Amino acid sequence: EAGVTQSPRYAVLQEGQAVSFWCDPISGHDTLYWYQQPRDQGPQLLVYFRDEAVIDNSQLPSDRFSAVRPKGTNSTLKIQSAKQGDTATYLCASSDRADTEVFFGKGTRLTVV
Amino acid sequence: QQKVQQSPESLIVPEGGMASLNCTSSDRNVDYFWWYRQHSGKSPKMLMSIFSNGEKEEGRFTVHLNKASLHTSLHIRDSQPSDSALYLCAASRNTNTGKLTFGDGTVLTVKP
Repeated sequence: EAGVTQSPRYAVLQEGQAVSFWCDPISGHDTLYWYQQPRDQGPQLLVYFRDEAVIDNSQLPSDRFSAVRPKGTNSTLKIQSAKQGDTATYLCASSDRADTEVFFGKGTRLTVV
Repeated sequence: QQKVQQSPESLIVPEGGMASLNCTSSDRNVDYFWWYRQHSGKSPKMLMSIFSNGEKEEGRFTVHLNKASLHTSLHIRDSQPSDSALYLCAASRNTNTGKLTFGDGTVLTVKP
């Protein structure tokens, strides 16, 4: 069974540039999460979806970050006008309706210089 | 305000030794605790979960939970160099068990 797939694996941007991250969850998983993991810290939830609906985006910096999951399968997280403070690994994760386990992708390591 | 606190920040144990990691939640509404292991440059992978008071053992790994104090601990016996990793504790509520709040982790190093 394929795991959670993310791309790209790495991204380096200058401040002010935009970037998009893509995630393909495990087949059949209806819930998809985006986490931000700064260096030497634990993951912090940004937003999560059940099917195509946003359930909680309260931790998403809404002025520059946006996330969509239009067909309830793949998802895209976009950062407009990146800042140095956005430097982190962005992890996508998914779970089935029972939520017995959350599975993580390998992440996208973002560096903003 | 960090709602999940882990200690120690880092731990060095000899190969074959016992590693003990601690985690406490300040959110009294949590019901589930999860332990994830993250090797350097890799994704977090779930090790164990616990929802009830008491102890749960799987191979070399034992988890304890005290729901009254919202404290959980992970114990690794006969530690191996391959156990060297970042250990993350997470908590969630029974209304949404998949919405995880993580601590900042404990870095475990097992010395051969």
